[in-house]
Amino acid sequence: AQRVTQPEKLLSVFKGAPVELKCNYSYSGSPELFWYVQYSRQRLQLLLRHISRESIKGFTADLNKGETSFHLKKPFAQEEDSAMYYCALVPDTGRRALTFGSGTRLQVQP
Amino acid sequence: NAGVTQTPKFQVLKTGQSMTLQCAQDMNHNSMYWYRQDPGMGLRLIYYSASEGTTDKGEVPNGYNVSRLNKREFSLRLESAAPSQTSVYFCASSEGPEYSNQPQHFGDGTRLSIL
Repeated sequence: AQRVTQPEKLLSVFKGAPVELKCNYSYSGSPELFWYVQYSRQRLQLLLRHISRESIKGFTADLNKGETSFHLKKPFAQEEDSAMYYCALVPDTGRRALTFGSGTRLQVQP
Repeated sequence: NAGVTQTPKFQVLKTGQSMTLQCAQDMNHNSMYWYRQDPGMGLRLIYYSASEGTTDKGEVPNGYNVSRLNKREFSLRLESAAPSQTSVYFCASSEGPEYSNQPQHFGDGTRLSIL
């Protein structure tokens, strides 16, 4: 079965510092990877997906199949980036539902 | 702009009581999902429905039943609640499993406590 690991429960940075939220996965096929975000008092929502190769709110994530990683990066953190971030995976066969990591809380201090 | 609506938002039950969590979406999505979220863990899939008329077990289905009443609605039932089912429950929907790169849209969650 597939698994998603986010090793950091909490990441605290200062405004303007670079941010990297780590995500590693274990799956033998070709999964689709996502980052979801939950801001305070808001619903869980999609931030970005690897297939789109897009930058959302300054965040990017590159799928590294060799290292089975999908780290989320932003060069300059903003206070409004403070939120809970979840990495998630959909397998290419079988039950095509999301498998989530345990989440990382990002705190951006002024 | 309702999207996915869950009711109730909060509920306290006694062990052994039954209850149904309701979920409805207004986006004409084919697939719907129920997850639970426990402290320190990610969301775990309980059941999902790939399309109207079908349901399948997820990662943690024991103690739950579901009904896909129509395309809009997907309910989750606890027949005999246990303290281990204390959790936050999220409903989600998406266009369909064949469009797995499309996002899932989530409701606000139901915080359920079982004493």
